[in-house]
Amino acid sequence: QQQVRQSPQSLTVWEGETAILNCSYEDSTFDYFPWYWQFPRESPALLIAIRPVSNKKEDGRFTIFFNKREKKLSLHITDSQPGDSATYFCAASDSNYQLIWGSGTKLIIKP
Amino acid sequence: AQTIHQWPVAEIKAVGSPLSLGCTIKGKSSPNLYWYWQATGGTLQQLFYSITVGQVESVVQLNLSASRPKDDQFILSTEKLLLSHSGFYLCAWTGQDTQYFGPGTRLLVL
Repeated sequence: QQQVRQSPQSLTVWEGETAILNCSYEDSTFDYFPWYWQFPRESPALLIAIRPVSNKKEDGRFTIFFNKREKKLSLHITDSQPGDSATYFCAASDSNYQLIWGSGTKLIIKP
Repeated sequence: AQTIHQWPVAEIKAVGSPLSLGCTIKGKSSPNLYWYWQATGGTLQQLFYSITVGQVESVVQLNLSASRPKDDQFILSTEKLLLSHSGFYLCAWTGQDTQYFGPGTRLLVL
């Protein structure tokens, strides 16, 4: 049973545009939502994370928008740069420190 | 600061041969440790996790086994490799709800 879904599977935007990556979940007990990015031939690294007490988390050009009622969240990358090209994973955590992972969105930023 | 080390960096192995991958974390006592597998271009599949020495829980086995012989060490192994074992193996630890990954081991089974 897939509990965390990501869309689109791949996304291409021009440099300077805003990229929007989507994530949804099913289990309302999830209480922590990290986003990771992974560059080719590297391991995933934490990018930004949010808890359900907030509906927005911002870190520079990266912003998570969270809709608890609809069980949806999105990652907005403003002023996209070629160096942002990576695969982005949305994950959700329960209280047992287990992460449920989405299938990832491959983002390509064209210069 | 915590550091996580995985060995080897990469392996090329024959089908049917044994395998042992290691993970060591320094600077963190009694960490929760995880093993993940990732196919090329694929998502992350959790294989095992361990909360304490000697205790390992299986999530998806894939004909692999794991052990935690020391507080700071997590081992992934199999006696007979399959072609489907090829991929990227990642060890991770938990700090304040977040999982942090090691550099990974790339495995190619021929």
